[in-house]
Amino acid sequence: NAGVTQTPKFQVLKTGQSMTLQCAQDMNHEYMSWYRQDPGMGLRLIHYSVGAGITDQGEVPNGYNVSRSTTEDFPLRLLSAAPSQTSVYFCASSYAVTNYGYTFGSGTRLTVV
Amino acid sequence: AQSVTQLDSQVPVFEEAPVELRCNYSSSVSVYLFWYVQYPNQGLQLLLKYLSGSTLVESINGFEAEFNKSQTSFHLRKPSVHISDTAEYFCAVSSRYNFNKFYFGSGTKLNVKP
Repeated sequence: NAGVTQTPKFQVLKTGQSMTLQCAQDMNHEYMSWYRQDPGMGLRLIHYSVGAGITDQGEVPNGYNVSRSTTEDFPLRLLSAAPSQTSVYFCASSYAVTNYGYTFGSGTRLTVV
Repeated sequence: AQSVTQLDSQVPVFEEAPVELRCNYSSSVSVYLFWYVQYPNQGLQLLLKYLSGSTLVESINGFEAEFNKSQTSFHLRKPSVHISDTAEYFCAVSSRYNFNKFYFGSGTKLNVKP
């Protein structure tokens, strides 16, 4: 089925470890974004991309890296995990953000111990 | 930058009663406004949006929202809720000049009781 696929669904990391959250979409969407969702704080934008090779920072980019080498994939890298990065991470994509909004993946629940 | 305030973190309501979920935003530029819904253990889904034109917008499942520029609000309403409307609702804003960057409110959990 077409949509946004995030892997893994759950992950536990130790402080200082690094990892990559994967995000793939098969809808040929230009726009992709990463959000983190924390209780009582809604969703906060980490990084976003307007096309292959183009990325930019959102509200809370520190501690995260992204790259967009293809239209389909937009991985999020945690460089050195910290307990403050415990959160639910959502990837989203859109063909035309204003007309159709974002299509969200089902999320990755990350715990850093 | 824009910001969004959802004053009510939780709204309990009985089935078939009306409901209003409040959303206020701040922005120095023209905005696009959105409501998203999140069912348990799922990602967010677009419920409705205001881009321009009529200030009253509707969704296919009976929700509506009205853009009020003077009060910088975009409240979500439904005249009669169902159990299946139980979910968390997020208001979001983006700027017409940088529409890729969405700013979300903290969410309102709607709990519909039988």
